[in-house]
Amino acid sequence: EAQVTQNPRYLITVTGKKLTVTCSQNMNHEYMSWYRQDPGLGLRQIYYSMNVEVTDKGDVPEGYKVSRKEKRNFPLILESPSPNQTSLYFCASSFDYHNQPQHFGDGTRLSIL
Amino acid sequence: GENVEQHPSTLSVQEGDSAVIKCTYSDSASNYFPWYKQELGKRPQLIIDIRSNVGEKKDQRIAVTLNKTAKHFSLHITETQPEDSAVYFCAASRLFDNTGRRALTFGSGTRLQVQP
Repeated sequence: EAQVTQNPRYLITVTGKKLTVTCSQNMNHEYMSWYRQDPGLGLRQIYYSMNVEVTDKGDVPEGYKVSRKEKRNFPLILESPSPNQTSLYFCASSFDYHNQPQHFGDGTRLSIL
Repeated sequence: GENVEQHPSTLSVQEGDSAVIKCTYSDSASNYFPWYKQELGKRPQLIIDIRSNVGEKKDQRIAVTLNKTAKHFSLHITETQPEDSAVYFCAASRLFDNTGRRALTFGSGTRLQVQP
């Protein structure tokens, strides 16, 4: 089954404790992206990747890092999480940038205390 | 960068009525406009999209129209049903363009409630 898998689905943690949210897709997609969803603000893109070893900032990259060492994986790293990063996070992928639509994962709800 | 505004933020209609959601965008180079539906607690899912070389696209009860000159596009749902109740997001991006940042910019969402 074609899917985008995020882990964990839920996480409550404390300020400053490094965390990683994993994202994996099994569709051999080139384009992958991370979004955060906050009430009234819709989905805002954090980072995206056009292919292996190619990443770029989205609209709200501050406080986040990503890597794309393999085509299937695109982890989101919060080196020093803060309460304003409490949000619902979605990973998405598409065959390539020119061929939408994007397939979304089920989301990760992060709470930073 | 691109800025997408979406209206209204909430919309309540009676079952069987039509619903229209409107979005405006700022980047005249944007040429791809998808619409996503997100049911409560679920992931966003594409329902329809349109590219800038087309003015209108239909898929059963759903249609999207695009006015490039005015830089706005709209989602039209006819004969609404209770299962259409969800949050709808518009988005804009550039495709087939080797310049500029390649990102998808979403509107803030419209919560549609279809009353039985």
